Amino acid sequence: DTAVSQTPKYLVTQMGNDKSIKCEQNLGHDTMYWYKQDSKKFLKIMFSYNNKELIINETVPNRFSPKSPDKAHLNLHINSLELGDSAVYFCASSPFVQGSDSPLHFGNGTRLTVT
Amino acid sequence: KNEVEQSPQNLTAQEGEFITINCSYSVGISALHWLQQHPGGGIVSLFMLSSGKKKHGRLIATINIQEKHSSLHITASHPRDSAVYICAVPETSGSRLTFGEGTQLTVNP
Repeated sequence: DTAVSQTPKYLVTQMGNDKSIKCEQNLGHDTMYWYKQDSKKFLKIMFSYNNKELIINETVPNRFSPKSPDKAHLNLHINSLELGDSAVYFCASSPFVQGSDSPLHFGNGTRLTVT
Repeated sequence: KNEVEQSPQNLTAQEGEFITINCSYSVGISALHWLQQHPGGGIVSLFMLSSGKKKHGRLIATINIQEKHSSLHITASHPRDSAVYICAVPETSGSRLTFGEGTQLTVNP
């Protein structure tokens, strides 16, 4: 059973389109995250939800909107896609809020390519 | 903000060699994470440690809290260890992690 699953694995789309990436975890964790990994493999947090409540909202364009219908799901919707949005997006979860002694479990990533 | 530096950025080794990857950070922390990113892209959490040493198979992670430094060692390296290794530490606020830029390890047969 996959602990953190995100779909799709690959997403190729044109500029200006709207797309969503879905994430689900079956670990019973309270906290979920979206990370963006750029072409240099550098990971940067975008959002974090704890029990469906937004707790981290980094300085990302408001074209990016996370939605957490329940604590097992955290989806990422992106409006008006731009070339610079091309990256790998990782979903992750942890038992409680990151930063303390809270191990992270990552999904396999979604490679988004905007043409 | 906690600054994280990893070294080396790239490392090539022969199978069987002992590998060391280093991570330094600027602000005191509660725990440090070591992650492994496979060539296929998936990320796995290897260790989370706050003091001393942890061992898992051929992987050993150590941390010196006073010196703000951690090392990841791989004994008897194997080509399947080829991956990017990333360390991460909490920011001073404690609510998020700051990631190092990663060390690309290539182990040749």
